[in-house]
Amino acid sequence: QLQLQESGPGLVQPSETLSLTCTVSSGSISSSYYYWGWIRQPPGKGLEWVGSMYYSGSTYYNPSLKSRVTISIDTSKRQFSLKLSSVTAADTAVYYCARHQREYSSSRYYYYYYMDVWGKGTTVTVSS
Amino acid sequence: SYELTQPLSVSLALGQTARITCGGNNIGSKYVHWYQQKPGQAPLLVIFRDDIRPSGIPERFSGSNSGNTATLTISGAQAGDEADYYCQVWDNSVVFGGGTKLTVL
Repeated sequence: QLQLQESGPGLVQPSETLSLTCTVSSGSISSSYYYWGWIRQPPGKGLEWVGSMYYSGSTYYNPSLKSRVTISIDTSKRQFSLKLSSVTAADTAVYYCARHQREYSSSRYYYYYYMDVWGKGTTVTVSS
Repeated sequence: SYELTQPLSVSLALGQTARITCGGNNIGSKYVHWYQQKPGQAPLLVIFRDDIRPSGIPERFSGSNSGNTATLTISGAQAGDEADYYCQVWDNSVVFGGGTKLTVL
């Protein structure tokens, strides 16, 4: 059973860069069926998608975060990472990594994505 | 940007049928996916592509999507189904609904 595990600092100073890594327990991160990405959840609030990346480098980012987000992949280590710059208290959240299934609908002529495997999440607090 | 609207909460008695809606402009033209999230846990995919249950999800969970509304139906709701439920679509980015808190009395 594939598992994802987030790791990284639990406390980040305001204006600095938040950095998290997700390690994939098994299988290939280079599969053509998947993107790999991040979702966050502020305390007491709903889910917010951050972005995702294909092993070859293609990325999608949340338009509201795009200027501050970078996602990268290291296929040799089966890891992908999130960097979020210039953080404020509003970036305090539980951050989840997740495998994004990528499928094509021949009847609707478009690709669509959903998250079928999630990590347990890691809490990141932005505070001085 | 595309928006999804869910009721904040749904309450029902044990054994009744819960229907959680997800509204969006012509949402029927998109595929809708549903997640269950229990307190302190990561979300769990319960329905994808409108009406398909992943392996291990009970048959009492079903989904439909037409027009401007998608619906997650939980038939014979159990106490263990109490959770937050989120709908999601793809619109050049992942879009989540605001979430619905299901209470089983």
